[in-house]
Amino acid sequence: NAGVTQTPKFRILKIGQSMTLQCTQDMNHNYMYWYRQDPGMGLKLIYYSVGAGITDKGEVPNGYNVSRSTTEDFPLRLELAAPSQTSVYFCASSAGTGLRLFFGSGTQLSVL
Amino acid sequence: DQQVKQNSPSLSVQEGRISILNCDYTNSMFDYFLWYKKYPAEGPTFLISISSIKDKNEDGRFTVFLNKSAKHLSLHIVPSQPGDSAVYFCAASSGTGTASKLTFGTGTRLQVTL
Repeated sequence: NAGVTQTPKFRILKIGQSMTLQCTQDMNHNYMYWYRQDPGMGLKLIYYSVGAGITDKGEVPNGYNVSRSTTEDFPLRLELAAPSQTSVYFCASSAGTGLRLFFGSGTQLSVL
Repeated sequence: DQQVKQNSPSLSVQEGRISILNCDYTNSMFDYFLWYKKYPAEGPTFLISISSIKDKNEDGRFTVFLNKSAKHLSLHIVPSQPGDSAVYFCAASSGTGTASKLTFGTGTRLQVTL
């Protein structure tokens, strides 16, 4: 059982480039989330989705976009990468409104 | 404004001893609390949780205590094992709804030494 799978694991971007972080889950969870973790900080919610076609902003959405066309996939798009987006990104899912989140292994992104 | 605080960035404990990880919160609306454990190069994994209607919850070697009047919770690991070496995050939620309401602390790195 794969759970939540994130790709890529590492990426270096130049300022102004764009990229998509992929996330897929095989647990048939309706709820999916994107978090970022900066050094010495707690996880901050970027965007979340309560089902296919429904997304909403979290605490730190600026500079990011998401889409949810299927239950399984929840990609995160960075349009114009900035150094402030250097972080570790985690995708997560949950069953229903449960707070027990299942996390992917993360994507370490550096913007130089 | 850090509503969930883990004031100890790191903790070192000898194998077999008790590990106590602390977490303080400021928002009195928080009514559900969770601990997540994170190994390097992996995502956090759920460890244990507690509702505000309880003051203690146990799961094997792990016990979480909640002191609502002090807005404080703690995670006890007894006995500590080398495999417990990880970063532990405290998280809190207010009301029902999705995990969009979860607020995470900054984490405490636990090292269990032989």
